[in-house]
Amino acid sequence: EVQLVESGGGLVKPGGSLRLSCAASGFTFSSYSMNWVRQAPGKGLEWVSSISSSGSYIYYADSVKGRFTISRDNAKNSLYLQMSSLRAEDTAMYYCAREASVTIDYWGQGTLATVPS
Amino acid sequence: QSALTQPASVSGSPGQSITISCTGASSDVGGYNYVSWYQQHPGKTPKLMIYDVSSRPSGVSNRFSGSKSGNTASLTISGLQAEDEADYYCSSYTSSNTYVFGTGTKVTVL
Repeated sequence: EVQLVESGGGLVKPGGSLRLSCAASGFTFSSYSMNWVRQAPGKGLEWVSSISSSGSYIYYADSVKGRFTISRDNAKNSLYLQMSSLRAEDTAMYYCAREASVTIDYWGQGTLATVPS
Repeated sequence: QSALTQPASVSGSPGQSITISCTGASSDVGGYNYVSWYQQHPGKTPKLMIYDVSSRPSGVSNRFSGSKSGNTASLTISGLQAEDEADYYCSSYTSSNTYVFGTGTKVTVL
């Protein structure tokens, strides 16, 4: 069974930093691209970033480019999102999601990051 | 990276069919057969319902179907049931090697 468990969310001041983690199990982590998708309270889904299986290819949404860094450790079956220069509009539930054949198929339960205005 | 356009809400009576549209551009929906649809119940994680425009993952009811014409994709739910009441989001791969989601549609079963 595919399992994705996020952690690291919390309350952080504007301009601060936060590092999110995602522990993967139930599949061969090193064979899949991974993504972060966020959802602000009461709002829709927003794609944030993706990283290829080897980590060679990385992409970001314009809204986070230059502030967020995605990375992975295939030996630890883990995905990370380093978030810096945080703004109130970054407040959201952050989901770790697996990508299979150009489809985001499995999602974690999410971790909430809150940046007060 | 503008969000794909979906109607804010769609409603139908039990047993009826409803269709949700998802309009993008030639750089996303129109350019690739990589459109997915997700169902999200309140407080829950999104669930993949349709991928590659019209394919259903194992375990998803055949009452859910997808299609695409030009820059617009559609999700049809036939034989509407109370459990189908949820938010639905479309998603597409883009020419920038990124993903874009739709604005979301709230489905209400009357």
